[in-house]
Amino acid sequence: QSALTQPASVSGSPGQSITISCTGTSSDVGDYNYVSWYQQHPGEAPKLLIYAVTTRPSGVSNRFSGSKSGNTASLTISGLQAEDEADYYCSSYTSSNTLVFGGGTMLTVL
Amino acid sequence: QVQLQESGPGLVKPSETLSLTCTVSGDSMSSYYWSWIRQPPGKGLEWIGFIYYSGSTSYNPSLRSRVTISIDTSKNQFSLKLTSVTAADTAIYYCARCTYGLDFHYWGQGSLVTVSS
Repeated sequence: QSALTQPASVSGSPGQSITISCTGTSSDVGDYNYVSWYQQHPGEAPKLLIYAVTTRPSGVSNRFSGSKSGNTASLTISGLQAEDEADYYCSSYTSSNTLVFGGGTMLTVL
Repeated sequence: QVQLQESGPGLVKPSETLSLTCTVSGDSMSSYYWSWIRQPPGKGLEWIGFIYYSGSTSYNPSLRSRVTISIDTSKNQFSLKLTSVTAADTAIYYCARCTYGLDFHYWGQGSLVTVSS
């Protein structure tokens, strides 16, 4: 199974909105609503931001939102804050009953 | 509050077997999937596999021939064995709890395993 495709890096200024894409295939992202997004700060374990494409776990800011169109899922962060600077990973359930991660996107807050 | 804690040797010799255990506290293991994920230093996340509380498993195809995940619900633990390790298996190994959609709501703090002679 191939990793999902994410941009290596994105950047934005405080207060702006940014979107991170996550492209898979019809055997994973395109066929299941089991896409998740994780935030990882240096030296820490990843934190779940979004699951089931659009659902935020309790305690996650509503500045984070998820969507999906075809084989591509997206994470949007609105009202960018300095604390949002981190690595972001998407993942998807696959038709082989396995999981695949994206390669990760480094977000820089300018 | 659910907590997960990885334990095991931090150094493994090449060609030997890497063994880690994840101890779960704060909730029963029933009705959940339990997974191992790893992250080589400076690189991205790689899913290793999961085990359902009943014992059924699924593994990453790229690691399937070398991986075994087992569970002991009486001890609230699940374990990872990775055979024939090489330097490429050096990574932080995380255990995590997930639902059917394989979304990881709870993570351990991670355990660095270095493969070196």
